[in-house]
Parts: sequence; C-alpha cells; structure tokens
Amino acid sequence: GAGVSQSPSNKVTEKGKDVELRCDPISGHTALYWYRQSLGQGLEFLIYFQGNSAPDKSGLPSDRFSAERTGGSVSTLTIQRTQQEDSAVYLCASRYPGSEQFFGPGTRLTVL
Amino acid sequence: AQSVAQPEDQVNVAEGNPLTVKCTYSVSGNPYLFWYVQYPNRGLQFLLKYITGDNLVKGSYGFEAEFNKSQTSFHLKKPSALVSDSALYFCAVNPRNAGNMLTFGGGTRLMVKP
Repeated sequence: GAGVSQSPSNKVTEKGKDVELRCDPISGHTALYWYRQSLGQGLEFLIYFQGNSAPDKSGLPSDRFSAERTGGSVSTLTIQRTQQEDSAVYLCASRYPGSEQFFGPGTRLTVL
Repeated sequence: AQSVAQPEDQVNVAEGNPLTVKCTYSVSGNPYLFWYVQYPNRGLQFLLKYITGDNLVKGSYGFEAEFNKSQTSFHLKKPSALVSDSALYFCAVNPRNAGNMLTFGGGTRLMVKP
C-alpha cells in the first residue's frame, strides 16, 4: 500500500511568515510522529500523537511550533513567525502497535 | 537522559569488503534498538530492529546487527558491501516509553567504492 506522504516536498518562506506542513500517515496507523532533521541538531523528536489521546509535545522547541491531527489521520505541523534556525527537513512517521516507525520523504523548509 | 553515539561521521569501504557501522547507546533499562538508512532526498528506511532474544539480528538488504548488552553497542554489519549501499545510516533507540519516540545518533555516511 501507499507509504507516508508529506507535502509540500520543498517550502521556501521569508522570515516572519507562518508555514504549514502536512503529513498523511499510512492508513490504519494509530501513532504519528514529527521529527526535525537539521545540520546542527541532527534528528530530533518534535511531537507524538496516539489515537485520541492528548499529544506529547515535549520535543517542540518553542511555542511558535504547534501540530494537530484531525480525525486520527492527517496531521499538520504549523510554524509561526518562522526564523532562519527553523530551516530543516521535517519528517513525519507513523506506526501501528508493535511495528517500527515508517517515515515519509520529508519537507525541506528554507527560511530566508 | 538517553543518548546514542555514532563515533564515525564517515566510513569508507571497498566494494566486496565487509563493513561495520558503529553505534553505542546510553539508556536505562532494556531499550529497543533500530537501524535506519537514508538515501539522498529520501526519508528514512527501516533496516532492522532488536527487541529481545538472539543478539544477532538480520534485516533488509543483507544487513545485520549485533546487540551487546555489556558494551551497550548495536553495530551494523554486512559481509560484502555494494556500491549501492552508499547512504547515511542512523542508529536509534526507544527506551520502551509510552510514546515509543526514537532518539537518533548523529548518523554515519557510508561510502562504498568500486
């Protein structure tokens, strides 16, 4: 079946603008994760959704970052008032109970 | 706090030779251990995982990894490298917490030369 998809694949924005990144997990996967991959920080966890439970936001770097998951499926990561240090590849992953995480291709965000 | 170390930024090996990509971790308890591979402009692809049982785990594309509890290591190995194995490899741990979030090492670039 289809894997995890993310859109857009690339996003260039100006400093101070808001951006929205989308993730479509694999159908039936109850858990969804966002990670960030940057040169300086490597791969770091951002936020985790499991079913209808409250998300684990412990990895979000600042209150400019937020995410939601509608209907237990699609997720949107929003970054408000983007800064240059937000430039990174944002990866989404999903899993079903007992499985490994399946990653999407990522969204490359460039903040000018 | 948990951490994962991949001490080599890059590993160079000739095609046909065996390869090892090193990983050590610092996590309390008995974590789950993973290896992922990333090709250029692609997401992470799962290679293999250790949950419990046999310390030698076999995965995709002929890769295997050996779990060593006393050394807290989980080195990735392949008996005979291919040029197409050239990619970025990440070791990751999941401390068996409720969220199963992964903590990644910094990555090791594997270069296999013909």
